Order: sequence, then structure tokens, then C-alpha cells
Amino acid sequence: ETGVTQTPRHLVMGMTNKKSLKCEQHLGHNAMYWYKQSAKKPLELMFVYNFKEQTENNSVPSRFSPECPNSSHLFLHLHTLQPEDSALYLCASSQEGQGGTEAFFGQGTRLTVV
Amino acid sequence: GEDVEQSLFLSVREGDSSVINCTYTDSSSTYLYWYKQEPGAGLQLLTYIFSNMDMKQDQRLTVLLNKKDKHLSLRIADTQTGDSAIYFCAELGDSNYQLIWGAGTKLIIKP
Repeated sequence: ETGVTQTPRHLVMGMTNKKSLKCEQHLGHNAMYWYKQSAKKPLELMFVYNFKEQTENNSVPSRFSPECPNSSHLFLHLHTLQPEDSALYLCASSQEGQGGTEAFFGQGTRLTVV
Repeated sequence: GEDVEQSLFLSVREGDSSVINCTYTDSSSTYLYWYKQEPGAGLQLLTYIFSNMDMKQDQRLTVLLNKKDKHLSLRIADTQTGDSAIYFCAELGDSNYQLIWGAGTKLIIKP
């Protein structure tokens, strides 16, 4: 149990579908993150939320839309994705303001776009 | 921009030591991390080192930091089959307080 739970674990969607990824943390952390993990490539930071406010958007296409309704939940809304968006999407949380603190990761959602 | 590089694969025999290497470019790094990702699982922090240290040891793990060469290594003594995983190096820059990640090194254990 990592304290960060992601659902679903696996998702297959067509390019015209709309779906959402969900992340939940029960660690009392104030920061949450979405990362994209593609094979043989560095982890890509997509979005950062601090105290429910989005503080980073690393040039992510608008077909990815994050939502953070409270400090424990984070969503990634997906629509009209492309096959190259197939990857493992990881959610993480941490307690910001404490340098060097640990980021806790969920198990990820394996997304396949067909 | 900042960059972190690692070899993609490392193969070692069970019982031998594994040394996973990482190089980074950000000279203002404050912390450097090693994360482990087992199959089907998320990333888990293995260990970290503050930039003013050059070595940290924790049971079978030894982290060495050469700040001059911007080189970080993780040594796993007496490698076991349970150590099979992908090991990610990451550095926390002083400039933007974001983690910069390597692509991960897959550790393969031979019997």
C-alpha cells in the first residue's frame, strides 16, 4: 500500500472516446503530480498542483485536462487522444516546502489508445 | 535544459554487486534520488543523497556522488532476484524545484 491509489489500472480507448483517470492520496500531502512514462524515455512531468492550484503545465496538449477538486483527489480527463499518447500515467504526491522530501507514486494507469 | 542520463540495461549474476550509474547536468542540484520500479508497480523511493555528501550507505545500498563530475551511482551488494526492477535516477534542481528524471536502468539478474 503506497498511500496513492490510481484507477483504473488499465484503460483501452479509441481516439474519439472521452475517459478520466483518477488519483487519490491519503497521506495528507499538499502537492500532487501527473507524470507520463513511455518506454526508454525519461519520466515526463505533465502537471503539478499545490494546494489545489495548478502551478505547472509542461506544454501538455489540451487533449489532456487535469482537475484537482481537493487536496486528496486528482483527475486527468482525456479526449480525442492519439496512439502516441499510449503510455503509463503515474500520479504522485508530496509535501511541498520540505526540500528533499519523498514523492509517493501510485501504481499507474496503463493507457492504450487504439 | 537540465538532463539526467542512465544506461537502459544492466545485467549481473545473482550474488554479485550491481552498480547503476547516472550523470546529470544541473550543477545546482540539491538532492539526488534513486527510485525503484518493480513490474506492474509505481515508483518507490529507494534512497537519496544531499548534494553536500559524497557517500551514503544503507544496508546493501551504497550511493556515491561525484559532484565535480556530476556523477551518481547506486551499488547494490549481493544482488538478489528480488532486486530485478527498473532503477530511476532523479535530481532536484535548486532553480525550479522540480524533479528531473533519467530514463531508468533495467536491472536483469542472471542465475
